[in-house]
Amino acid sequence: DTEVTQTPKHLVMGMTNKKSLKCEQHMGHRAMYWYKQKAKKPPELMFVYSYEKLSINESVPSRFSPECPNSSLLNLHLHALQPEDSALYLCASSQTGTGIEKLFFGSGTQLSVL
Amino acid sequence: RKEVEQDPGPFNVPEGATVAFNCTYSNSASQSFFWYRQDCRKEPKLLMSVYSSGNEDGRFTAQLNRASQYISLLIRDSKLSDSATYLCVVTTSGSARQLTFGSGTQLTVLP
Repeated sequence: DTEVTQTPKHLVMGMTNKKSLKCEQHMGHRAMYWYKQKAKKPPELMFVYSYEKLSINESVPSRFSPECPNSSLLNLHLHALQPEDSALYLCASSQTGTGIEKLFFGSGTQLSVL
Repeated sequence: RKEVEQDPGPFNVPEGATVAFNCTYSNSASQSFFWYRQDCRKEPKLLMSVYSSGNEDGRFTAQLNRASQYISLLIRDSKLSDSATYLCVVTTSGSARQLTFGSGTQLTVLP
């Protein structure tokens, strides 16, 4: 059982829709991450929040907008996505975000953009 | 050269077999090493950290060779439930950007 909870598990959206992915952890971790994973590829880092501040944005298009309301919550707002954005979106957390820690992943949101 | 390289497989082995995967890394300053397991369309789950002295957890043994810059994962007495993709993760201190995934090795254990 994962201690990082993601919702929804599946999402189908049109290119004009606005939707949000949500992630929650109660392990007291101070770093939270969004990864994107395509089939048969490793996860690709999108964003990192450390102590509720955005510390890394890996040149992600502005149609993806992260938000960290507090240390336990992480959202990813989606708007005007493209079909190539269809992927598994994974939230993860770690203790402080120093880069040498183990990551704990949520179960992911399988996103399909039509 | 990729920062972290794994043989993608697939490795198809019979139940009860012993199988080993390697993962090579290019940055000699790498500090922490992990093996994750990922089932199809599921999240990666931490299998084990890899320590300098080597470590074992049941049927799984992980080793680190800093001189040759690789880590290994040995699975003994393979079970059907071991079928998954195994991802190595190599990290360097300082930034979450320095956490690098290998491309994964696919294992199928056959009855």
